[in-house]
Amino acid sequence: TQLLEQSPQFLSIQEGENLTVYCNSSSVFSSLQWYRQEPGEGPVLLVTVVTGGEVKKLKRLTFQFGDARKDSSLHITAAQPGDTGLYLCAGDRTGGGADGLTFGKGTHLIIQP
Amino acid sequence: SQTIHQWPATLVQPVGSPLSLECTVEGTSNPNLYWYRQAAGRGLQLLFYSVGIGQISSEVPQNLSASRPQDRQFILSSKKLLLSDSGFYLCAWRPPGLARREQYFGPGTRLTVT
Repeated sequence: TQLLEQSPQFLSIQEGENLTVYCNSSSVFSSLQWYRQEPGEGPVLLVTVVTGGEVKKLKRLTFQFGDARKDSSLHITAAQPGDTGLYLCAGDRTGGGADGLTFGKGTHLIIQP
Repeated sequence: SQTIHQWPATLVQPVGSPLSLECTVEGTSNPNLYWYRQAAGRGLQLLFYSVGIGQISSEVPQNLSASRPQDRQFILSSKKLLLSDSGFYLCAWRPPGLARREQYFGPGTRLTVT
């Protein structure tokens, strides 16, 4: 059972366009992280959201945590080729335990110049 | 600042051979340590985690084992590799304490079992 569903799985758009990717679950998470991964490298942490309804901005990236803490979205404004990569969301269900995160399968994003 | 290292970066091994992947963390004490495997189209699968020296929790029964001989060293092993063990293996660490949930990943090891 995949606890975190990410959509779309693949997205290819032109430079300058806006996009939103989603991370959905039927489970409640105490926190949720977004990572970006480039081919052959480890994921790099972008942001952590903790509070239901929380919105965080990182330059052109806007992250939102759902009010019920079951879902999240990542919006990119004026996408650039450097935004290309695999975007992973990861949730923490236990809120304090040492066990690992639950990862979605990711959204493969390609920004064409 | 903290850094995490993994080696080797790539490995090609025949079926039935042993495996040892190493992960070390610098710049922190008593981190939680994790091994994940990433297969194409399947996301990251948690294999093992450790909260201290000699303490290993296994998430998925399989052909692999893990050990933590030192505070900042985490080793993934196998006595006999299977074709299905191929994948991208990632080590991660998390700061100790309950408030911090972020995990930080190493560069990974690409394992191909032939």
